[in-house]
Amino acid sequence: GENVEQHPSTLSVQEGDSAVIKCTYSDSASNYFPWYKQELGKRPQLIIDIRSNVGEKKDQRIAVTLNKTAKHFSLHITETQPEDSAVYFCAGHPDMRFGAGTRLTVKP
Amino acid sequence: DTGVSQDPRHKITKRGQNVTFRCDPISEHNRLYWYRQTLGQGPEFLTYFQNEAQLEKSRLLSDRFSAERPKGSFSTLEIQRTEQGDSAMYLCASIRQGNTEAFFGQGTRLTVV
Repeated sequence: GENVEQHPSTLSVQEGDSAVIKCTYSDSASNYFPWYKQELGKRPQLIIDIRSNVGEKKDQRIAVTLNKTAKHFSLHITETQPEDSAVYFCAGHPDMRFGAGTRLTVKP
Repeated sequence: DTGVSQDPRHKITKRGQNVTFRCDPISEHNRLYWYRQTLGQGPEFLTYFQNEAQLEKSRLLSDRFSAERPKGSFSTLEIQRTEQGDSAMYLCASIRQGNTEAFFGQGTRLTVV
């Protein structure tokens, strides 16, 4: 299956700052790249995804960028808010193997 | 609730006992995944089904674990001779044919004492 590696494992930012989480993958044939958010005690939920035919996708304060040459994709959160505090996971496709997660803490 | 449903929500069992969990995916979702998640870790892939076919099984999954999806609808995950290290949250997710977003159930929390 597709293995994904995620960095950093923890990230602490001040409210209003930006946060960037990076995920690398191994299978050059991969064509779909999702990011999931898991709040404490809740189930993971998809927040944004990107397909290999585009390099960037935005949805309000979150964006995902894809670098197929380097085989990595990144989650960008701008103007962070305390409610962005959660664990974020990237995943491979279609076997949906998740990265180890990044615990984001946004300090007010 | 028409989302992914898992049963039971909590299970406490004695070491050495067998346990079985059930997952009902969203109707018409043909792909179904099982994961194990421990505190502070990401969901660890266990296995996945496309309809009734089990397409992949993690190498980390010991022979004490088995999963079925006999009619391509609900799935069961059985753990035989449970060990304390099996204590975790077991998550199920499903994806619709031709789609990509995975929808997760609320999980079954297993505690082996």
